[in-house]
Amino acid sequence: GQSLEQPSEVTAVEGAIVQINCTYQTSGFYGLSWYQQHDGGAPTFLSYNGLDGLEETGRFSSFLSRSDSYGYLLLQELQMKDSASYFCAATWAGSYQLTFGKGTKLSVIP
Amino acid sequence: EADIYQTPRYLVIGTGKKITLECSQTMGHDKMYWYQQDPGMELHLIHYSYGVNSTEKGDLSSESTVSRIRTEHFPLTLESARPSHTSQYLCASSEGTGTSTDTQYFGPGTRLTVL
Repeated sequence: GQSLEQPSEVTAVEGAIVQINCTYQTSGFYGLSWYQQHDGGAPTFLSYNGLDGLEETGRFSSFLSRSDSYGYLLLQELQMKDSASYFCAATWAGSYQLTFGKGTKLSVIP
Repeated sequence: EADIYQTPRYLVIGTGKKITLECSQTMGHDKMYWYQQDPGMELHLIHYSYGVNSTEKGDLSSESTVSRIRTEHFPLTLESARPSHTSQYLCASSEGTGTSTDTQYFGPGTRLTVL
């Protein structure tokens, strides 16, 4: 089947940099998205990688390596408001559907 | 700015009741989705639609049904609610650009509790 793996929890200090990894099954893989969800809130789109390499959007960057079946989300200059769950989500060739990972709960501490 | 709405936001009902969760979007998006998410867990796709009169079941088996009579409206119905249906239900929509790179915009969700 189509599945993604990401760590369940990460803790980091305010002002630091944190990387959240995501590995996926390669069969039919098309692209990798990242979504942020605060407790009690709805997921919001952060970034998308359709090609290998780094995509930068302000303090957030996302990276994809198709040869390694791996991507990551990089958060810089962490702020307390970045405490949330982060989901990687894959799209597969010929489908608009997203398959979500189980999510990584990021806790930013002072 | 995404405009997608869900009502009710919270619902507590008794077992056996019929309920309809409403979802509307004002962006003219062709594609709409329903996800089920338990607290702290991943999102599971239960239904999706690629346009009017088009509906399909998702990866997670669900006893709910959906309809898509108008582009902007994608209601989800449970004919007979059970405690196992207690969860958060998230509606989403996407533009459908002809590729697989659609960004999905989510509504605020309906938190359903069945007693």
